[in-house]
Amino acid sequence: GENVEQHPSTLSVQEGDSAVIKCTYSDSASNYFPWYKQELGKRPQLIIDIRSNVGEKKDQRIAVTLNKTAKHFSLHITETQPEDSAVYFCAARSRDDKIIFGKGTRLHILP
Amino acid sequence: NAGVTQTPKFQVLKTGQSMTLQCAQDMNHNSMYWYRQDPGMGLRLIYYSASEGTTDKGEVPNGYNVSRLNKREFSLRLESAAPSQTSVYFCASTLAGSLDEQFFGPGTRLTVL
Repeated sequence: GENVEQHPSTLSVQEGDSAVIKCTYSDSASNYFPWYKQELGKRPQLIIDIRSNVGEKKDQRIAVTLNKTAKHFSLHITETQPEDSAVYFCAARSRDDKIIFGKGTRLHILP
Repeated sequence: NAGVTQTPKFQVLKTGQSMTLQCAQDMNHNSMYWYRQDPGMGLRLIYYSASEGTTDKGEVPNGYNVSRLNKREFSLRLESAAPSQTSVYFCASTLAGSLDEQFFGPGTRLTVL
């Protein structure tokens, strides 16, 4: 069945440095790739997404890249700040609207 | 708009008891989803419904049943709860085929003793 792999499971970066989280997906028919941020005890919130006809998208300090050939997409956070500390999830949506999530990355921003 | 609502917020069950988790959305979305999230784990898809009248299994459907009551409501039923079903359950919805954001409910924290 469909699968989404996410790495790393934990990431610690110095405040001001960049963070990169990577995901791969198995269903070549997937056409939508969102990234969610989840703070402790709260529901996931969308931070950025990318559609399969686009290779890169940027929103201020956050960017996502997509390589459809390799079935690989990544989240890049630049100039990290303490409030970026959270768990981040990637996901892939297939044409039948099934949405599968990766296992998550716990991001720690070190002072 | 309330968005996606879930009831109850918290529930404690004994092994073997049954219960239904309720979910409703007021955003006129076609697709609705049930996920479970175990401590330190990701979101695993239990069941989803791409449109009113259809339901499909996700990654971990065993031990659960669902009902898409109408376009707004999607319920999740545990017929005979087991300790392995202790988890936080999230309902979510989105417009079918729109490649748009999936909105999540606040979650139901379920403990099975």
